Amino acid sequence: RKEVEQDPGPFNVPEGATVAFNCTYSNSASQSFFWYRQDCRKEPKLLMSVYSSGNEDGRFTAQLNRASQYISLLIRDSKLSDSATYLCVVKGAAGNKLTFGGGTRVLVKP
Amino acid sequence: NAGVTQTPKFQVLKTGQSMTLQCAQDMNHNSMYWYRQDPGMGLRLIYYSASEGTTDKGEVPNGYNVSRLNKREFSLRLESAAPSQTSVYFCASARGVNEQFFGPGTRLTVL
Repeated sequence: RKEVEQDPGPFNVPEGATVAFNCTYSNSASQSFFWYRQDCRKEPKLLMSVYSSGNEDGRFTAQLNRASQYISLLIRDSKLSDSATYLCVVKGAAGNKLTFGGGTRVLVKP
Repeated sequence: NAGVTQTPKFQVLKTGQSMTLQCAQDMNHNSMYWYRQDPGMGLRLIYYSASEGTTDKGEVPNGYNVSRLNKREFSLRLESAAPSQTSVYFCASARGVNEQFFGPGTRLTVL
């Protein structure tokens, strides 16, 4: 079983719609969680950290469910510019190493 | 600030050739990382350096060596390239445990 698993998609989303997707992680001792965004043929960039209480950044909402070991990302009012691959990232209990999921591809269409 | 820079951007090698990928950061970060990204596999950690003078193996270190030349620079060397090393290579740096900043990547093809 992979340490961090994501549905690869693609999620085809009409412009203005809401899309949500999850990521599961296998190590219950994982401490920190993040969503990174990666545009086609570009480097990953941090989108947002995921806090235990859940957090929101504009149209983006991230949630953490420790009991079921998953995190989620919800995008409201999708824009064409939201088309990208979203990488779920987990930091283990020790050290500064991050484990990346394979990514969920989102395509927002007019 | 340039952030994280990588050279070269593209490279084609023949099996058995060697090369070094260069990475530099100007953010005064302690930690630096080398990843490879293959379709459907996500980013996999090859080697990392928690601070100047230290390096450690990641998930897929075989076939690679690294050098943390100074605080700014962290290079990745392929001594004898194999087709299985065809990939996109990303260097990253971080101050602590949170955000990692990535370079633009090197697209390597080994024939």
